[in-house]
Amino acid sequence: TQLLEQSPQFLSIQEGENLTVYCNSSSVFSSLQWYRQEPGEGPVLLVTVVTGGEVKKLKRLTFQFGDARKDSSLHITAAQPGDTGLYLCAGVIGQNFVFGPGTRLSVLP
Amino acid sequence: GAVVSQHPSWVICKSGTSVKIECRSLDFQATTMFWYRQFPKQSLMLMATSNEGSKATYEQGVEKDKFLINHASLTLSTLTVTSAHPEDSSFYICSAREGFRGYEQYFGPGTRLTVT
Repeated sequence: TQLLEQSPQFLSIQEGENLTVYCNSSSVFSSLQWYRQEPGEGPVLLVTVVTGGEVKKLKRLTFQFGDARKDSSLHITAAQPGDTGLYLCAGVIGQNFVFGPGTRLSVLP
Repeated sequence: GAVVSQHPSWVICKSGTSVKIECRSLDFQATTMFWYRQFPKQSLMLMATSNEGSKATYEQGVEKDKFLINHASLTLSTLTVTSAHPEDSSFYICSAREGFRGYEQYFGPGTRLTVT
């Protein structure tokens, strides 16, 4: 059983479209991170959220942490081909640091 | 800041030989380092957690005698795949965490291992 679930698993969109990916758990996170990984490279940290209801923006990316700290979303505005990659959420649940299965995003020019 | 390097980037070895992969934190002291493996189109799977100066803690199903981890200093951890087999071929990624940075992990670029 996955402690962390992400949806959708795969997403293919056209350049300029908006999208949202989700990260959910039945457990409460102490903190949650979002990473992006490109093929053949290690994941790169995008953001950390720690407070329920917190919203953080990173250029065209908006991250939201659920009020109950059990879920998070990543919204990308006007997606670009450079946004293509595997988006992973990861969080601390209890004593464990766990990764979600990832959302593989493809932005077509 | 928070740069993690891995060496080598890729390695090809023959079945039965051993391979060592290094993970270094370049601009911070890593109290904890993690080793992951990743199969194509899949997420990261944690193999083990190591704290400097202590024995590594391995995840269930990971053979500690096969995947030897050493974290002898605050900036270096090594993973040695012993008696490698083709099924050990994978993308191995390390990450490092500095105490006061909370739970954020900073990842290395990964090492592609191919066992022939």
